[in-house]
Amino acid sequence: EAGVVQSPRYKIIEKKQPVAFWCNPISGHNTLYWYLQNLGQGPELLIRYENEEAVDDSQLPKDRFSAERLKGVDSTLKIQPAELGDSAVYLCASSNAAWGYNEQFFGPGTRLTVL
Amino acid sequence: ELKVEQNPLFLSMQEGKNYTIYCNYSTTSDRLYWYRQDPGKSLESLFVLLSNGAVKQEGRLMASLDTKARLSTLHITAAVHDLSATYFCAVPYYNNNDMRFGAGTRLTVKP
Repeated sequence: EAGVVQSPRYKIIEKKQPVAFWCNPISGHNTLYWYLQNLGQGPELLIRYENEEAVDDSQLPKDRFSAERLKGVDSTLKIQPAELGDSAVYLCASSNAAWGYNEQFFGPGTRLTVL
Repeated sequence: ELKVEQNPLFLSMQEGKNYTIYCNYSTTSDRLYWYRQDPGKSLESLFVLLSNGAVKQEGRLMASLDTKARLSTLHITAAVHDLSATYFCAVPYYNNNDMRFGAGTRLTVKP
């Protein structure tokens, strides 16, 4: 069974440019998460989707960040415009609450460098 | 607000030694997760602890949960180099749908 897929794995952009990250969750997982992980720290939740609905986006900086999950499967996270402080790893995770204890499975992440 | 604290944040061990990593959290939760992260890699699930007194073991790692003390431990027995990684504990909130992660314990096992 394929795990959570993310692309690209690495992205280098100049500040003020836009950038987008893509995530394909594990088949059958209705819940999708985007996390931000700064160097030397634990992941911090940005947004959680239940199917197509964003049910917890309280930590998403809405002035420059946006996300969507069309058809309740794949998801895209966008930053526009990017700032130097956005350099980090962006992790996508998925889970299925119906499968017991809602364990989250993580993708490989996208490492963003803003110059 | 839920706070999750791990200690130590950095741990350097000799091979063959034992040690324990601690994870404290500030609000009631009946479950806790442990993850491993290798440099440049994503998070790999190690243990899911679902109730007070839960104990799980995999190889040289053993995790336990005391929900009354709001404490989980990850015990390393006879460490080997392959265990070198960063270990995170995570505690769910918001009806068990979201997780708050600790800062991680960066473990280095030296020969």
